[in-house]
Amino acid sequence: NAGVTQTPKFQVLKTGQSMTLQCAQDMNHEYMSWYRQDPGMGLRLIHYSVGAGITDQGEVPNGYNVSRSTTEDFPLRLLSAAPSQTSVYFCASSYVTESTEAFFGQGTRLTVV
Amino acid sequence: AQSVSQHNHHVILSEAASLELGCNYSYGGTVNLFWYVQYPGQHLQLLLKYFSGDPLVKGIKGFEAEFIKSKFSFNLRKPSVQWSDTAEYFCASGGSQGNLIFGKGTKLSVKP
Repeated sequence: NAGVTQTPKFQVLKTGQSMTLQCAQDMNHEYMSWYRQDPGMGLRLIHYSVGAGITDQGEVPNGYNVSRSTTEDFPLRLLSAAPSQTSVYFCASSYVTESTEAFFGQGTRLTVV
Repeated sequence: AQSVSQHNHHVILSEAASLELGCNYSYGGTVNLFWYVQYPGQHLQLLLKYFSGDPLVKGIKGFEAEFIKSKFSFNLRKPSVQWSDTAEYFCASGGSQGNLIFGKGTKLSVKP
């Protein structure tokens, strides 16, 4: 019972590099989302998807791209990494209603130098 | 815009002390409220949730929360904390985009 799987767990990037954070879920959830967690800021929504082929922006989308070609996968792309993107990133999935809990991945700790 | 505010940034308690963490939310239509816990180095786990019905909600590990509609509050309580409860606690509200709107979190440190 894998749940939500994120890779990698840790990553160091140089400014300007690009990379993709992977997220996969095996619960057949329609809704998937990406959050970033910064000290004293809680979790903020970056992008979300309500199903394959449908994505939308959250609160802090700048500098990130997403796509949703399958129900299971929801990768997050950093186009040109900046030090301000140093953060812990969490992927979450749930059924598409407001009243269901979200299941979170283990997180990716990203440092941009 | 919907928002969630948590009253305390860092709470320090001794073992066996009682805990109450404050949470207030702004009304966004349907009430869907959650408390998540994040143990050091781990991901978020659901403690409890409220959608409707009995305003006193019981969760895992002896936690409970009370929904008070008139105060827009959803405070988390535990009668007697343990060292293993040391973690960060997040209150969240269901958002109109299907997402969760999180408070900034409260760090709980329990001294043995």
